Amino acid sequence: RKEVEQDPGPFNVPEGATVAFNCTYSNSASQSFFWYRQDCRKEPKLLMSVYSSGNEDGRFTAQLNRASQYISLLIRDSKLSDSATYLCVVSAQAGTALIFGKGTTLSVSS
Amino acid sequence: GAGVSQSPSNKVTEKGKDVELRCDPISGHTALYWYRQSLGQGLEFLIYFQGNSAPDKSGLPSDRFSAERTGGSVSTLTIQRTQQEDSAVYLCASSLTGWERFFGPGTRLTVL
Repeated sequence: RKEVEQDPGPFNVPEGATVAFNCTYSNSASQSFFWYRQDCRKEPKLLMSVYSSGNEDGRFTAQLNRASQYISLLIRDSKLSDSATYLCVVSAQAGTALIFGKGTTLSVSS
Repeated sequence: GAGVSQSPSNKVTEKGKDVELRCDPISGHTALYWYRQSLGQGLEFLIYFQGNSAPDKSGLPSDRFSAERTGGSVSTLTIQRTQQEDSAVYLCASSLTGWERFFGPGTRLTVL
């Protein structure tokens, strides 16, 4: 099983749609979880951290299921500007290492 | 404020040549990371510097790869005798505390 797995997509949705991405991770000892966003030919940037209780930031909601070892990202009312690749990121067992997934590509069209 | 900068932005080289990639982290950030991202692949960890501690080199793919961080600030990633499979975007990131990585724009390396 890969350390961090994501459906690569692409997810093609119209503006205003709700879309959800899932990510699974293999290391049950992982403690910290994040979603990063990477625009085409740009560097990744932190979108949001993922907390055990779930957290929301505007149109974005992140959830963590430790028992099943998966993380989700929900985007409501999609905008054209949401088009990007979303990277699921999980802390490694030790130290400050992060494991990056290959990303899920979202394309929002008008 | 100034973010992480990297140079050059693009580098085209011939197989067998050596290349040096530079990273200027955010001022005051004690941690510096090098990753590489090949087409369609996730970010692959290469090396990690934290303050004056010995670097974590566990991600370097071969002994052709090395990195230095001088004075706790600027870092240089050197690839000797480049191979075509070294072609990728090399990303540098820095952080102060916690988990957030601030990435530079990357150096796109093409080995012909």
